[in-house]
Amino acid sequence: GQQVMQIPQYQHVQEGEDFTTYCNSSTTLSNIQWYKQRPGGHPVFLIQLVKSGEVKKQKRLTFQFGEAKKNSSLHITATQTTDVGTYFCAGFLAGNQFYFGTGTSLTVIP
Amino acid sequence: GAGVSQSPRYKVAKRGQDVALRCDPISGHVSLFWYQQALGQGPEFLTYFQNEAQLDKSGLPSDRFFAERPEGSVSTLKIQRTQQEDSAVYLCASSNQRGYYEQYFGPGTRLTVT
Repeated sequence: GQQVMQIPQYQHVQEGEDFTTYCNSSTTLSNIQWYKQRPGGHPVFLIQLVKSGEVKKQKRLTFQFGEAKKNSSLHITATQTTDVGTYFCAGFLAGNQFYFGTGTSLTVIP
Repeated sequence: GAGVSQSPRYKVAKRGQDVALRCDPISGHVSLFWYQQALGQGPEFLTYFQNEAQLDKSGLPSDRFFAERPEGSVSTLKIQRTQQEDSAVYLCASSNQRGYYEQYFGPGTRLTVT
């Protein structure tokens, strides 16, 4: 079964609105990575978080790693049409395997 | 090279045929990963190499799947006796770090088994 879940599965926003995707794991993650995949493309690395409670920002994107290292979030401020794609979290579950999340597909309406 | 390359980009195989998919990682990257991505799904981990050593093959779905990286650079994923359920995009990724850290993906090989 799915080890790393993301919600929502789909999100439609008007251009300029904010967007957040949440990533939840059944067990502790040693690290969390975020990737973006455009339609027809391949995953592109965005960022990596390692420390409990870590927060990182990249321009309009803010990434957080939960205190218990079981969840993470990606927040985009003032979405643009270039933000369209599927956002995946990914991480290594302690003593287990490396998993990608189920993904959140973002559509931005101009 | 500038990025990870994979070949062929598209492969059509008849059920029962063997296929070999190639991955050229970014030069100098010690880690190499293979993933299978079905339509509308996230990538699923298949196997991990650190240099020439296959450290994790826990994601390989059956003994029909075999991967190698004999010289610690180019890697080949081989699927024997292909089945329809093997139809997917096979992604290769490499990293300059040891372990499951930031990965740079190739464009993938789309395999269709008829």
